[in-house]
Amino acid sequence: RKEVEQDPGPFNVPEGATVAFNCTYSNSASQSFFWYRQDCRKEPKLLMSVYSSGNEDGRFTAQLNRASQYISLLIRDSKLSDSATYLCVVRFSGGYNKLIFGAGTRLAVHP
Amino acid sequence: ETGVTQTPRHLVMGMTNKKSLKCEQHLGHNAMYWYKQSAKKPLELMFVYNFKEQTENNSVPSRFSPECPNSSHLFLHLHTLQPEDSALYLCASSQDGTSGAYEQYFGPGTRLTVT
Repeated sequence: RKEVEQDPGPFNVPEGATVAFNCTYSNSASQSFFWYRQDCRKEPKLLMSVYSSGNEDGRFTAQLNRASQYISLLIRDSKLSDSATYLCVVRFSGGYNKLIFGAGTRLAVHP
Repeated sequence: ETGVTQTPRHLVMGMTNKKSLKCEQHLGHNAMYWYKQSAKKPLELMFVYNFKEQTENNSVPSRFSPECPNSSHLFLHLHTLQPEDSALYLCASSQDGTSGAYEQYFGPGTRLTVT
């Protein structure tokens, strides 16, 4: 089983749509959770951290379910500029700042 | 220069060549990382340096040799690579390599092709 699993997509949605991405992780000792965004042929950039109580940043909402080892990202009112690959990232407890990346979910927003 | 820079941005090398990738961070961070991103695969952590000391070697073949002369510079020396080593090599840095509280900032990557 992969350490971090995501639906690869692509998700093709029109502007203004709401889209949700899911992610599961295998290690129950995981400590920190993040969503990164990677544009085509660019480096990953932190989109938002994911907190146990859920958190929101503008049009983006992240949720964490530790019991199910499940993370989600909801994007409301999609913009063309949201087109990118969204990476689910987990940090296991202990040791160093070692991030485990999912393979990413590709989003394409069209006019 | 700001953030994390990497050179070269593109590299084509033969299997018998020796080359080096360079990473420099201008953020005052103490931890630096090498990642490999192959097509349709997740980013894989290769090495972690914290305060110039290697703290993680994620079972990387010896044909990849990292070097961290100071907290701002990180190199990846390459020799006798295989075609399957062709990938995007990303460098990252963070304030501290021991805490997940610190965001990792990535460089633009070096796209490596081994022929």
